[in-house]
Amino acid sequence: GDSVTQMEGPVTLSEEAFLTINCTYTATGYPSLFWYVQYPGEGLQLLLKATKADDKGSNKGFEATYRKETTSFHLEKGSVQVSDSAVYFCALGSNTGNQFYFGTGTSLTVIP
Amino acid sequence: DAGVTQSPTHLIKTRGQQVTLRCSPKSGHDTVSWYQQALGQGPQFIFQYYEEEERQRGNFPDRFSGHQFPNYSSELNVNALLLGDSALYLCASSFSGRLSYGYTFGSGTRLTVV
Repeated sequence: GDSVTQMEGPVTLSEEAFLTINCTYTATGYPSLFWYVQYPGEGLQLLLKATKADDKGSNKGFEATYRKETTSFHLEKGSVQVSDSAVYFCALGSNTGNQFYFGTGTSLTVIP
Repeated sequence: DAGVTQSPTHLIKTRGQQVTLRCSPKSGHDTVSWYQQALGQGPQFIFQYYEEEERQRGNFPDRFSGHQFPNYSSELNVNALLLGDSALYLCASSFSGRLSYGYTFGSGTRLTVV
């Protein structure tokens, strides 16, 4: 069945460091891929998405490219800020239904 | 414009009891999905309601049931609570349920079963 495997954390970085959070997926067909972010005490917020192979999603300096050949959707940011501290979830949107399959989440802490 | 509203924000129940959680979708949305997020885990799909009917269901026992009202708001009911039901329950609303139209998540209800 559909599933997502996400790099485990926690991840601690200094401000302005480069961020990569790995995400790979297993799916039948051609799913959409998403990154969601969860700040403490809040729900999930959509960070970016890609709906087909080779698409690049981007938002607030974060980027991820839908790689069908490696079944990956790694999240990157060139220079993290303290305000980026949160939990990041990779998710797959099934094209045979209307549900998300989420990874286990990666906690990011950025220190000044 | 209010987003998704969930109530209550926190509650504590005793094993064996029943609980009802509530969700008001974002204005303009007609579909409500429920997810369970255990501590340290990603959310897992419980079910989705559209046109007042359960349209899709995840791998959850029948103890989990729901309802959608004519105004599109929804309830999640859990019977015979187990300790393992302790989790953050997230409601997400969307238009028609299609992923391409975008989902909006609420802040969740934190359920603790003791």
